[in-house]
Amino acid sequence: DAGITQSPRHKVTETGTPVTLRCHQTENHRYMYWYRQDPGHGLRLIHYSYGVKDTDKGEVSDGYSVSRSKTEDFLLTLESATSSQTSVYFCAIRDTGQLNTEAFFGQGTRLTVV
Amino acid sequence: AQTVTQSQPEMSVQEAETVTLSCTYDTSESDYYLFWYKQPPSRQMILVIRQEAYKQQNATENRFSVNFQKAAKSFSLKISDSQLGDAAMYFCAYRSRPHNQGGKLIFGQGTELSVKP
Repeated sequence: DAGITQSPRHKVTETGTPVTLRCHQTENHRYMYWYRQDPGHGLRLIHYSYGVKDTDKGEVSDGYSVSRSKTEDFLLTLESATSSQTSVYFCAIRDTGQLNTEAFFGQGTRLTVV
Repeated sequence: AQTVTQSQPEMSVQEAETVTLSCTYDTSESDYYLFWYKQPPSRQMILVIRQEAYKQQNATENRFSVNFQKAAKSFSLKISDSQLGDAAMYFCAYRSRPHNQGGKLIFGQGTELSVKP
């Protein structure tokens, strides 16, 4: 299994509180991604990173920020959590190269905003 | 922008039978990848099969095969000799080939497959 760990695995938080989810990899892969999974929508990209301090927005980035100060860590922050951000969050990593490279996913974090 | 559509929210198959999951996509690009991912109740995302758009030959992986129709923008997954362990949510996904797209995956809505013993 690819060395990718998400923490926490489960979290319940109150509306209006800040929340940070962590993705840690041991593979030294360049690309890291944050997706959210919701019924009827599949997985949708929130933000991604293509290197240390290099990030870009995805399809559903409003209300989220990210940071990548080290190759191995990619943080997702909800500045002020809302009930619409209740979801399962997945981190993924991918290497670069001449050949097609597979994306590896973490185990997911179930976040509930009450 | 690219989109991926899975029009079957739920499918059911008898053990040992064959089932086909449908996926259509929309893109103006000519070079891309298509994937099928499996998500069992454990939530782990598992790559089942991939297809490069420039390859005419349909990809196969053991009991899993695809029917890739580039002109029709269709990418269906066939599971032969279905097993109880195949029960899961299946996602179709698209990825642009050029690296300047960031390698982002665009997913369909998912199809929940149940396998009856």
